Amino acid sequence: RKEVEQDPGPFNVPEGATVAFNCTYSNSASQSFFWYRQDCRKEPKLLMSVYSSGNEDGRFTAQLNRASQYISLLIRDSKLSDSATYLCVVKGDIGYALNFGKGTSLLVTP
Amino acid sequence: GAVVSQHPSRVICKSGTSVKIECRSLDFQATTMFWYRQFPKQSLMLMATSNEGSKATYEQGVEKDKFLINHASLTLSTLTVTSAHPEDSSFYICSARAADRGLEQYFGPGTRLTVT
Repeated sequence: RKEVEQDPGPFNVPEGATVAFNCTYSNSASQSFFWYRQDCRKEPKLLMSVYSSGNEDGRFTAQLNRASQYISLLIRDSKLSDSATYLCVVKGDIGYALNFGKGTSLLVTP
Repeated sequence: GAVVSQHPSRVICKSGTSVKIECRSLDFQATTMFWYRQFPKQSLMLMATSNEGSKATYEQGVEKDKFLINHASLTLSTLTVTSAHPEDSSFYICSARAADRGLEQYFGPGTRLTVT
């Protein structure tokens, strides 16, 4: 079983739509959680950290459910520029290495 | 701040040759650097973790004699792919972490290696 699993995607949505991505992780001792964004053939960039209480950054809302080992990302009012692959990332309980999900591809269309 | 550069950005080499990829932290001291590899449509896979001045820790399944990592200074780590084969063709990305900046890792722009 992979350590971090995500929705297979791809998600094709019209501009202005709301879209949600889900992610589960296998290591219950995981300490930190993130969503990264990766554009085609580029390096991943940190979108936001995910906190137990849930957190919001503009149109983006992240939620964490430790009991279910589940993380989500909600994007409201999608923009064309949101088209990218969204990576669910988990840091384990040992060291600083990150475990990446395979990513979910989002395409926002006019 | 927190810029990480990689060089070269892309390289094509012949099978059997060696390729060196550099990862530099430009405006901070990187106590730890990480090397990842990403095949098309796959997730980033951690290859190794290196701390300045000590030997790298390799992930299971990564050959340490094939992927040589040197982290000789707080701003530079190198990955050398020795005797490259076509199956080594991939996107290699480094990231760096500074002890005084918490958990965040800063990623380099990646190096696309093609072995012919």
